[in-house]
Amino acid sequence: NAGVMQNPRHLVRRRGQEARLRCSPMKGHSHVYWYRQLPEEGLKFMVYLQKENIIDESGMPKERFSAEFPKEGPSILRIQQVVRGDSAAYFCASSRSTTIVETQYFGPGTRLLVL
Amino acid sequence: AQSVTQLGSHVSVSEGALVLLRCNYSSSVPPYLFWYVQYPNQGLQLLLKYTTGATLVKGINGFEAEFKKSETSFHLTKPSAHMSDAAEYFCAVSESNFGNEKLTFGTGTRLTIIP
Repeated sequence: NAGVMQNPRHLVRRRGQEARLRCSPMKGHSHVYWYRQLPEEGLKFMVYLQKENIIDESGMPKERFSAEFPKEGPSILRIQQVVRGDSAAYFCASSRSTTIVETQYFGPGTRLLVL
Repeated sequence: AQSVTQLGSHVSVSEGALVLLRCNYSSSVPPYLFWYVQYPNQGLQLLLKYTTGATLVKGINGFEAEFKKSETSFHLTKPSAHMSDAAEYFCAVSESNFGNEKLTFGTGTRLTIIP
């Protein structure tokens, strides 16, 4: 049973370019969370999605950032016109349901470097 | 709003000595509490979690944590440190809000094991 998959593992972008980060949840999981980890800091919640729905995006910057989780395919975190401050590790986590307290399983992360 | 405070960003212990990593939380409702471990350039792995019931929780790799409501604490312990325990440890809280289990993380504690 494969775990949470993220790709790419490392991404280098120049300022102004777009970054697309992909997350494939564990099999049977329909809930996806994205977190951002800045250097020397803990993880900060960004967005929570279920299939085709954004449930909570209270942690997302208001501009340039968007996320989706289509009916088919991985969840995508998209950052437009990247700036140096976007350099961070981006982790996604998936869980099976939220009718009980379900453990979130984390992927290995995508490390974004903006030059 | 919920929050987590981890006292001590760096902790060093000798191999075979007791490991104690401190975590205090703030939550307006009964919390769910988690400890995750992160090895360099990897994702987060769940060590243990507290939801309800027994306040002493046992996890993987010999770790355990005790939920103390009166002290709003959830400290992580291990009786005898092993070299392989060297990693970063994150305490996290999730409020009992079924339908959205987003985690709020502390800033992490880097554990170093001295041979």
